Amino acid sequence: DTGVSQDPRHKITKRGQNVTFRCDPISEHNRLYWYRQTLGQGPEFLTYFQNEAQLEKSRLLSDRFSAERPKGSFSTLEIQRTEQGDSAMYLCASSELNTEAFFGQGTRLTVV
Amino acid sequence: AQSVSQHNHHVILSEAASLELGCNYSYGGTVNLFWYVQYPGQHLQLLLKYFSGDPLVKGIKGFEAEFIKSKFSFNLRKPSVQWSDTAEYFCAVNNNAGNMLTFGGGTRLMVKP
Repeated sequence: DTGVSQDPRHKITKRGQNVTFRCDPISEHNRLYWYRQTLGQGPEFLTYFQNEAQLEKSRLLSDRFSAERPKGSFSTLEIQRTEQGDSAMYLCASSELNTEAFFGQGTRLTVV
Repeated sequence: AQSVSQHNHHVILSEAASLELGCNYSYGGTVNLFWYVQYPGQHLQLLLKYFSGDPLVKGIKGFEAEFIKSKFSFNLRKPSVQWSDTAEYFCAVNNNAGNMLTFGGGTRLMVKP
């Protein structure tokens, strides 16, 4: 499967713990996006990269959220000191310049 | 800021019925428009897209959408739905600047056999 891959698919964590999610985009895609989707809502944009440069991060929900794409290939999204309100599906997508985005299956985070 | 409204949150149809899902967006500049579908347990998949040209766009599985610029609308249509069309449908918009998508809240479609 050469689509967008996300790991893990599910994560259950205790409140206050840190979590990190990984996304492997389609290999030739230079843009990578992170979205969050809560129940009954459409995906909400968080941040995106063009190659290794993070071009937009003002939509990250708080300073507990950070993302990296160190070599312009895979990306990680970290949430520090998780809260119950962070429970959601975290989606990764990738695209070439000015084309449609392809989405991964997401990582479902449950904070207990 | 961009926003997208999908008027119907839940739609229930019988097989062979016609479908139209509404989508309106607010953005003053040039936009690209998309419909994505999410089948149960699966990832978001692109149904169709509009970047420019013919405002009537045909997508996969018999879906089409019409971009009406004066109405800021991009409604999704299918003349005859099938049980396998049961899914959640999301309208989305972006501009060329960053490609980040703004999604509507989604419409959950159930097709009864």
